[in-house]
Amino acid sequence: DAGITQSPRHKVTETGTPVTLRCHQTENHRYMYWYRQDPGHGLRLIHYSYGVKDTDKGEVSDGYSVSRSKTEDFLLTLESATSSQTSVYFCAISESRPMNTEAFFGQGTRLTVV
Amino acid sequence: QKEVEQDPGPLSVPEGAIVSLNCTYSNSAFQYFMWYRQYSRKGPELLMYTYSSGNKEDGRFTAQVDKSSKYISLFIRDSQPSDSATYLCAMVSGNTPLVFGKGTRLSVIA
Repeated sequence: DAGITQSPRHKVTETGTPVTLRCHQTENHRYMYWYRQDPGHGLRLIHYSYGVKDTDKGEVSDGYSVSRSKTEDFLLTLESATSSQTSVYFCAISESRPMNTEAFFGQGTRLTVV
Repeated sequence: QKEVEQDPGPLSVPEGAIVSLNCTYSNSAFQYFMWYRQYSRKGPELLMYTYSSGNKEDGRFTAQVDKSSKYISLFIRDSQPSDSATYLCAMVSGNTPLVFGKGTRLSVIA
């Protein structure tokens, strides 16, 4: 298995609180991605990074911010969590852009906002 | 219209059946076409990928791409209960991250 660790794996939080999800890789891959997966919507890209301090928005970036201060870590922050952000969040990594070689996904973080 | 359309199913077949999974897309710039498999409560994993049009075979799995029709397929021969999973098509053009279909949930019944 590719070395991707997401933390936490499960989290329940209250509406309005900030939440940070962490993705850690040991593969030294340049590209990292955050997706959310919801019934009826499939996987949707939130943000991605193409290097340290280099990030870009995806399809559903509103309400989310990201940071990448080291190659191995990509953080996703919900500044003020809302119930619509209840979802399963997946981190992915790839060696090349735009993921036309194999992309590896983490195990997911199940976030519930109550 | 979403860029990639995929019937979410669910699809239930008996063991040994041939399974056909399909996606259509609207962006003619897509060049790489992939199929990911996702088991329950796991992350997706790459099953196969194809560049441009044509067929690609890997064991019991065959991926087909018809760019003229903007249609891709995944065939599973001699399906097994272990093939029960959600199958997601994905595609990409030169400089964009992957765009996924919604996924089709497949159950193979022993």
